[in-house]
Amino acid sequence: GENVEQHPSTLSVQEGDSAVIKCTYSDSASNYFPWYKQELGKRPQLIIDIRSNVGEKKDQRIAVTLNKTAKHFSLHITETQPEDSAVYFCAAMSGGSYIPTFGRGTSLIVHP
Amino acid sequence: DAGVIQSPRHEVTEMGQEVTLRCKPISGHNSLFWYRQTMMRGLELLIYFNNNVPIDDSGMPEDRFSAKMPNASFSTLKIQPSEPRDSAVYFCASSDQGFRADTQYFGPGTRLTVL
Repeated sequence: GENVEQHPSTLSVQEGDSAVIKCTYSDSASNYFPWYKQELGKRPQLIIDIRSNVGEKKDQRIAVTLNKTAKHFSLHITETQPEDSAVYFCAAMSGGSYIPTFGRGTSLIVHP
Repeated sequence: DAGVIQSPRHEVTEMGQEVTLRCKPISGHNSLFWYRQTMMRGLELLIYFNNNVPIDDSGMPEDRFSAKMPNASFSTLKIQPSEPRDSAVYFCASSDQGFRADTQYFGPGTRLTVL
């Protein structure tokens, strides 16, 4: 089955810096990669997703890149703000499966 | 729209007891998902219903867990008997387009503690 590794587990940055979170996956058939943000005590919320037919997608300060050959994808947050502090999860899903595999999460702390 | 509704929000029970978690999806959504989140294992999808029919339950950990969706507006996740390792936050989510994360809405979760 699919295996998703996410790094780092904790990331601490200063306000205004960029943050990068990386995930690798094992199943070359995976073709859908969503990213979630979960604030403390709250529910996960989708922030951006990418499909395997594109290499990059951007939404304001957030971007995701995908390297299918290397089987890794990354979340980039620019100009970080304290309200970006949360746990971020990546996931990978194959077109032939209904079950996504999630990374273990990255706790992002943005210091004002 | 009230969003996905889960009850109870918190449940504390003793080992061996039966636990039933409830979910009301967003009206008009035809897909429903049950997730479990723990520190040890992260976020896991347990089961996925489409049009009230279980499509994939390969994430259900063992026979002690069962899920039903008797109609389009209600689903239950039951654990019998419960064990301390079942302690987790259980999320229900619904979607109107299958597993597409951009159309999937999570409920607030039920925090289960098994003593």
